[in-house]
Amino acid sequence: EVQLVESGGGLVQPGGSLTLSCVASGFSVSGKYMSWVRQAPGKGLEWVSLIYTRGDTNYADSVKGRFTISRDNSRNELFLQMNSLRADDTAVYYCAREDGYCRGGDCYSYFGLWGQGTLVTVSS
Amino acid sequence: SYELTQPPSVSVSPGQTARITCSGDALPKKYAYWYQQKSGQAPVLVIYEDSKRPSGIPERFSGSISGTMATLTITGAQVEDEADYYCYSTDSSDNRLFGGGTKLTVL
Repeated sequence: EVQLVESGGGLVQPGGSLTLSCVASGFSVSGKYMSWVRQAPGKGLEWVSLIYTRGDTNYADSVKGRFTISRDNSRNELFLQMNSLRADDTAVYYCAREDGYCRGGDCYSYFGLWGQGTLVTVSS
Repeated sequence: SYELTQPPSVSVSPGQTARITCSGDALPKKYAYWYQQKSGQAPVLVIYEDSKRPSGIPERFSGSISGTMATLTITGAQVEDEADYYCYSTDSSDNRLFGGGTKLTVL
């Protein structure tokens, strides 16, 4: 079955750290662009970070310098290491596979597969 | 920074046509996508590449683009279509971004 399963969420104090994990089944994370998307309680969707197939990364300005996305190809697993956490990082964090294609130097992708999400609460 | 702008809410009666707009300066050059999110669930793609419908999405869902505005149209909205809808696109730096979301009420 093709799916994504996140884990690692929980309660953490402001300034603390947490690492989220996302295990993929039915496809290889190394062969797809993979992203983290979050949703604060009662708020909209916010893209957080992306890891390309070649291994380079991209981050939203709101998390740049604090969060690190990575993957373990042998375990088919995606990670999000979150440092210096703030109250406004409180959200459900979704792991998402990007589907799409590149043509003529441009790439067109969208989030085609989502996990169920894991809740991160930053509070003292 | 680049933004996608949606109305916070749209309300229609069952059977009426609902239109949700998404405005963004880069939309003439970048595709718009639309996601439906029901309470407590992960988002579901309902329109991709401005106007294409994924398999399994009802025909009443359609998308269009005109200049800097993308529109999601639900023709003959059903009670089960009540949800939050988000447009999605990318910017020139390959950042991914969502619109603020539109709460569709059908009653």
